[in-house]
Amino acid sequence: DIQMTQSPSSLSASVGDRVTITCRASQTIGTYLNWYQQKPGKAPKLLIDAASNLQDGVPSRFSGSGSGTDFTLTISSLQPEDFASYYCQQGYSVPWTFGQGTNVEVK
Amino acid sequence: QVQLQQWGAGLLKPSETLSLTCAVYVGSFRDHYWSWIRQPPGKGLEWIGEINHSGSTSYNPSLKSRVTMSVDTSKNQFSLKLTSVTAADTAVYYCAKMPYVWGKGTTVTVSS
Repeated sequence: DIQMTQSPSSLSASVGDRVTITCRASQTIGTYLNWYQQKPGKAPKLLIDAASNLQDGVPSRFSGSGSGTDFTLTISSLQPEDFASYYCQQGYSVPWTFGQGTNVEVK
Repeated sequence: QVQLQQWGAGLLKPSETLSLTCAVYVGSFRDHYWSWIRQPPGKGLEWIGEINHSGSTSYNPSLKSRVTMSVDTSKNQFSLKLTSVTAADTAVYYCAKMPYVWGKGTTVTVSS
């Protein structure tokens, strides 16, 4: 199985901050990397697929980068609605696996 | 846009079988793989497995011995069965057309 390691597991930030979350795969996965946002009591919502492809309707303050084993999700200017949990997921080979999540909290 | 509606028993006793079904509305049922994912309380996401319209499956090795997925193409539905449940199987279970569309989730609690 491909292991996905996210860091940090949690972070505290303020509105307007630039936030960066990293995800590392245990083997190369090309750009088969997805990012989700999850709010309490809700299903995950896809933000970015193929490492950097922003989904329709997702604000442009979200961006993704990386390839191979190292990936980054950046929120350029954190907004109140962005406080949530974020997960990466590799789509390279089954079993599909997720990072352990990053909880973005209010500072 | 594909929509998913899921249902199933929410309270089980240890050793019972979890059974969930997900209906696919709008869009093609035949062109995709359909997944089940779970999330224990306060924890991360775990992919359980996937199935396509012809019944071809892939399961997570960690659950493979207890999981069976099936499909009913006449109803555009797919189902999950997980046998011999324990408290460790307590979780929110999601059906999904990964990574794009997810159901709202079903809370399953295993308790004696």
